[in-house]
Amino acid sequence: QVQLQESGPGLVKPSEILSLTCTVSGGSISGFHWSWIRQPPGQGLEWIGYIHYSGSTTYNPSLNSRVTISVDTSKNQFSLKLSSVTAADTAVYFCARVGYSSGSEWFDPWGQGTLVTVSS
Amino acid sequence: AIQMTQSPSSLSASVGDRVTITCRASQDIRNDLGWYQQKPGKAPKLLIYAASSLQSGVPSRFSGSGSGTEFTLTISSLQPEDFATYYCLQDYLYPFTFGPGTKVDIK
Repeated sequence: QVQLQESGPGLVKPSEILSLTCTVSGGSISGFHWSWIRQPPGQGLEWIGYIHYSGSTTYNPSLNSRVTISVDTSKNQFSLKLSSVTAADTAVYFCARVGYSSGSEWFDPWGQGTLVTVSS
Repeated sequence: AIQMTQSPSSLSASVGDRVTITCRASQDIRNDLGWYQQKPGKAPKLLIYAASSLQSGVPSRFSGSGSGTEFTLTISSLQPEDFATYYCLQDYLYPFTFGPGTKVDIK
């Protein structure tokens, strides 16, 4: 079955760029949308955005000016870049596949998540 | 953005209890709602999509209902492995938004 794994630095300095990669195994990245979601420690979930394997993207306006999601189909990976980070961006970052049917969309499966701390 | 609320924010229940969690949307979202279960230190797990469709592999004691602005997740007979936090998610309009969560713990 399809599995997702996030990777990237666990510590980022304020004002710098947070960069994460999600590697998809057990299936092709083609044919689907792929998403990033985050969860600050002890808090709820926030949808960051998603990318179609063709490269088209949709972002959460609350992060729109700072976020870039890209895809590399040759490596079966997609990536997140978040610029000008502050302590408020400290969170566990999850990647997930988007499923859809009859107009409904959902996230399944998910990666295990990776904690990124923003601190000097 | 569409605001999602959940009630209660937490509840205590016993094994075998019937549990109902409510999710409300700030506007009509048709049936574009999913439910997720999250255990501490783990990723959320999809339970229900399109308001009432049970994800493959999810036990039949979980069910979802509702449309428009009010939705419910019901666990017909709570099992020990069901103690977790439950989130609803609207996928009707961007940005997709989650409810604040309902924590279900042991009475």
